[in-house]
Amino acid sequence: DAKTTQPTSMDCAEGRAANLPCNHSTISGNEYVYWYRQIHSQGPQYIIHGLKNNETNEMASLIITEDRKSSTLILPHATLRDTAVYYCTAQGGSNYKLTFGKGTLLTVNP
Amino acid sequence: KAGVTQTPRYLIKTRGQQVTLSCSPISGHRSVSWYQQTPGQGLQFLFEYFSETQRNKGNFPGRFSGRQFSNSRSEMNVSTLELGDSALYLCASSPGQGTIGYTFGSGTRLTVV
Repeated sequence: DAKTTQPTSMDCAEGRAANLPCNHSTISGNEYVYWYRQIHSQGPQYIIHGLKNNETNEMASLIITEDRKSSTLILPHATLRDTAVYYCTAQGGSNYKLTFGKGTLLTVNP
Repeated sequence: KAGVTQTPRYLIKTRGQQVTLSCSPISGHRSVSWYQQTPGQGLQFLFEYFSETQRNKGNFPGRFSGRQFSNSRSEMNVSTLELGDSALYLCASSPGQGTIGYTFGSGTRLTVV
C-alpha cells in the first residue's frame, strides 16, 4: 500500500485558495490518488481523485506531479465550512481498502 | 438518493459483551467497507465485502467479523468487547468496480464500559 505524508495542519484565510500538499512517493502505477475530508464527528466525504492528469470538479482541483510522487488539492475559494481534516490516500488494482494517514487539519479563518 | 445508513448511531456496551452494527449501502452499490476510528490510531481499515465475499481484511483480531447479505447490506460483529474497542465505526459503500470514490455513513459511536 502506498504510504502518504501530509502536513499536520494548515491555516487559510476565508476567500483565499487553500493548497494542501501530499507526498505519495511509493504509489504504484495502477493506483489512483484520492482525497477525502472529515468534518468533526461526521464520516469522511469524498472530494476528488485522479491517476496522472489534473482533475477538477465542483469542489476542488487536483494537481498531480508528472512523476506521480506528490499531489496538491486546491480549494479555490475556501469558506469557514471547509474547516476539516483532509486525507490523501491511494487505491487501485486489486487493493480494495483505503489507508488513511493522520491527514491535514485545515483551519479556515475569517 | 439515500446515503449510507448506519444503525445504531450510539451504543454503550459492557466489557465481555458482543455487539452487531448494521450498514445499508447506497442503492446499487455492491461494495461495503468498514473502518474503525480512534483518536490514537486514526482511521483503520477492518474489511471489505463485494457481492457477499470478503475481498480484503485489515489487521484486526478474529473478534472482529463481518458479513454481507444478498441485498448488499452488511453487518459487523465484535465479540468479547474490550475497553479499547471504544471507537467510531464507519461504513463506506461504492459500486465496487471502477474508480468511483467511497461514500461514508455517519458512523456508529461504540462505548465499552
